[in-house]
Amino acid sequence: KAGVTQTPRYLIKTRGQQVTLSCSPISGHRSVSWYQQTPGQGLQFLFEYFSETQRNKGNFPGRFSGRQFSNSRSEMNVSTLELGDSALYLCASSLGQGGNTIYFGEGSWLTVV
Amino acid sequence: GNSVTQMEGPVTLSEEAFLTINCTYTATGYPSLFWYVQYPGEGLQLLLKATKADDKGSNKGFEATYRKETTSFHLEKGSVQVSDSAVYFCALSGSGGGADGLTFGKGTHLIIQP
Repeated sequence: KAGVTQTPRYLIKTRGQQVTLSCSPISGHRSVSWYQQTPGQGLQFLFEYFSETQRNKGNFPGRFSGRQFSNSRSEMNVSTLELGDSALYLCASSLGQGGNTIYFGEGSWLTVV
Repeated sequence: GNSVTQMEGPVTLSEEAFLTINCTYTATGYPSLFWYVQYPGEGLQLLLKATKADDKGSNKGFEATYRKETTSFHLEKGSVQVSDSAVYFCALSGSGGGADGLTFGKGTHLIIQP
C-alpha cells in the first residue's frame, strides 16, 4: 500500500512569508505527526493529530500550526517565516495506539531566504 | 522528560566489520524503542523496533535488544556493507500511541568503506 506522501518536496520562501505543507497518511492511519529536522537541533516533534484533534504539541512558537481533515490528511502552516525555519519537515503516520509503529514520509525541504 | 543518547560519529568501518551503535534512554513508564535509518536526501525508514523489555528487534541483519535494566537499545550487525552507509537514529515512543511524539537521539552517521 502507498506510504506517507508529502507535498511539496522542495520549496523556497522569503522571510516574512507563510508556507503550507501537506501530508497524506497511510490508508487507515488516523494519527499524523510532524517533525522538524535541522543539522543543529536534530529531529524535533512539532505536533500530533488524531481524528482531527491535536493531542500534543512540541516546544515551538505559535507561528507553527497544523490541522487534520476528516480523511486524516494533514497540513502544517508556518507564518512569518524566519531564516531559522529552513529545515526538512517530516510527516509521520500511525494507527495511533500505544506501541504502534510510526511511518515517515520523505519530507518537505523548506529553504527560507 | 524523555531523552535518548547515542554516539554521534561519524563512525567509519571497513566492509564486513562488526557494527555496534550504542543507545541509552531515559523515560517514564514503558516506552517502545525504535531504530530508524536515513539515507542521503531521504526521509526516515523504520529499521526495527521492540515494544517491551527483553524483546529483540531484527531486520536486514541488524539487531537490537530492549534492556530495561540498563535502559539501552544498542544496534548491532555482524558484517556491514557499503550500502549500510547512512545516518541511524535511536528513538522512543511513550505509551500515548504517538500522541507524545517520538523522542530521537542526535543520529549516528555511519560510513562503510570498501
